[in-house]
Amino acid sequence: GAGVSQSPSNKVTEKGKDVELRCDPISGHTALYWYRQSLGQGLEFLIYFQGNSAPDKSGLPSDRFSAERTGGSVSTLTIQRTQQEDSAVYLCASSFLPRGGRTDTQYFGPGTRLTVL
Amino acid sequence: GQQVMQIPQYQHVQEGEDFTTYCNSSTTLSNIQWYKQRPGGHPVFLIQLVKSGEVKKQKRLTFQFGEAKKNSSLHITATQTTDVGTYFCAGPGGTSYGKLTFGQGTILTVHP
Repeated sequence: GAGVSQSPSNKVTEKGKDVELRCDPISGHTALYWYRQSLGQGLEFLIYFQGNSAPDKSGLPSDRFSAERTGGSVSTLTIQRTQQEDSAVYLCASSFLPRGGRTDTQYFGPGTRLTVL
Repeated sequence: GQQVMQIPQYQHVQEGEDFTTYCNSSTTLSNIQWYKQRPGGHPVFLIQLVKSGEVKKQKRLTFQFGEAKKNSSLHITATQTTDVGTYFCAGPGGTSYGKLTFGQGTILTVHP
């Protein structure tokens, strides 16, 4: 299909509620990443799904954050008991798995803008 | 662990001036990538450098990879307002195979 898609594009929620953000990677891409970007800031790595290997969860900021990738395709990022500091744009990216030690080009989705009131 | 440092954090230029952003790694990189994020948009891949001392050009953009493969630079000649955005470098990093580590980015503002 086209590129990486994410839904919803915007999400407004109340503090304490749970939210689910969805990412549809490019077909055939076995690597999937989630990043968080606060206004005017850089990319904060959250989690990396690398094919069939265990995901790299080293960037998840707290145990309120979790992510899964079903069937090696669609991924869902869940934030439980949202806090105001969770407000940010959540970006998903996908790529082919690298070969020979090289990383591959990441293709980013448009992001989900999360606002926690 | 792997860190990719990028400077400057911000750069304001007059249209027509040149711009350079630098990326430095604490360890040798097998390759380095550059991305551009327009205001309100998402990062878009620009280029990948692989060889020591490699130089690649895309119109007014010149990308360099250091001889030691620990640093890289992006130079824009005669900036235009369309160059506005955040430029990120990214290299392999961390303990996970294939994981990209992004620099903090340089936010470029071009005044007409």
